[in-house]
Amino acid sequence: QKEVEQNSGPLSVPEGAIASLNCTYSDRGSQSFFWYRQYSGKSPELIMSIYSNGDKEDGRFTAQLNKASQYVSLLIRDSQPSDSATYLCAVHSGAGSYQLTFGKGTKLSVIP
Amino acid sequence: DAGITQSPRYKITETGRQVTLMCHQTWSHSYMFWYRQDLGHGLRLIYYSAAADITDKGEVPDGYVVSRSKTENFPLTLESATRSQTSVYFCAIDKEGTGTTYEQYFGPGTRLTVT
Repeated sequence: QKEVEQNSGPLSVPEGAIASLNCTYSDRGSQSFFWYRQYSGKSPELIMSIYSNGDKEDGRFTAQLNKASQYVSLLIRDSQPSDSATYLCAVHSGAGSYQLTFGKGTKLSVIP
Repeated sequence: DAGITQSPRYKITETGRQVTLMCHQTWSHSYMFWYRQDLGHGLRLIYYSAAADITDKGEVPDGYVVSRSKTENFPLTLESATRSQTSVYFCAIDKEGTGTTYEQYFGPGTRLTVT
């Protein structure tokens, strides 16, 4: 069974610091990786997609992928209180299926 | 996202009743999905559809029925609701509309309580 693991948190960081969120996955054949942000009581919102090894930057967000070690991470620079949310890691295996497997999420709290 | 609507947004029903949750997209994207989200389990896929009249099971399909006669609509029916189906249900669509990137947009969700 395909698994995606995340620390549940909460992860607390002071405002302005770098928040580092990690995700590991079990299916070595996975090809596509996503980070979603979910505010309390709201629906998940796609914030980053990454498909190849290395870093991908978008504003204050950087996604990092290491397929050999089967982990993907999300860095949030200059964290703001508005970044306080649960971050979900999602993985697509690419094996002829459209299904995404989601981790249970890491709750991030940015302290002013 | 305004392009995906779910109705109702909140529903309380009794055990054994049939309940239908509706998902509607204002575009004509190919793929549509139904997830449930529960504490301790995260998001789990119930069913998905690649196009009108094409549906497939996800991770937790038991107790649910779907249909997709029109591209824009993807209703989810609980044939005989059970307390274990109390959850938040999210509909999603493929972002690009062609099913090539696997990125998904989520609707606002339906909070269902089965008493």
